[in-house]
Amino acid sequence: GAVVSQHPSWVICKSGTSVKIECRSLDFQATTMFWYRQFPKQSLMLMATSNEGSKATYEQGVEKDKFLINHASLTLSTLTVTSAHPEDSSFYICSASRSENTEAFFGQGTRLTVV
Amino acid sequence: LAKTTQPISMDSYEGQEVNITCSHNNIATNDYITWYQQFPSQGPRFIIQGYKTKVTNEVASLFIPADRKSSTLSLPRVSLSDTAVYYCLVGLYNQGGKLIFGQGTELSVKP
Repeated sequence: GAVVSQHPSWVICKSGTSVKIECRSLDFQATTMFWYRQFPKQSLMLMATSNEGSKATYEQGVEKDKFLINHASLTLSTLTVTSAHPEDSSFYICSASRSENTEAFFGQGTRLTVV
Repeated sequence: LAKTTQPISMDSYEGQEVNITCSHNNIATNDYITWYQQFPSQGPRFIIQGYKTKVTNEVASLFIPADRKSSTLSLPRVSLSDTAVYYCLVGLYNQGGKLIFGQGTELSVKP
């Protein structure tokens, strides 16, 4: 089956630094990928839609300058958390699907801890 | 997108059948009902999807009444490894991965 992989699985960074999270579709091409954030004991919240070859679309309330998304190829999207602060500590998850009418596959998630 | 309402939590014992009901009173004609499972510190995993009546796969069954204003996910003979959060989502068929998650139901299976 289709597999979506994220890297790293977890990362600890110092406040003020930037962190990059990668999301790869391993056996299919994805023109669109999605990024979610999940705080402890809460549901997933859609952050943005990553579009290959064009700008990402951000959900209301998500700072595009804070969460930089790059979708440079059909198998890779990256999320960079810039100038991270402790409140950015969360579980970040990406998803992708083969097409608009097929099921979504999720990455294993990335646990970000900002100290 | 139609809003969904699920119980926040449920408890069960190994070997029992578990039924989780989701309410979606404002479901649109073109909407499908999809259930995802999420283990701690993992991404969600697709379980089952349906439009009406009953759908069954190797993991679960999905029951949808005629008015489609609710749906029930049925997990037969649960085991400890079924302890997870289960999300009910309503929207266009798969939507290419853009999914709006509700609060989910935290299922705890006890020995």
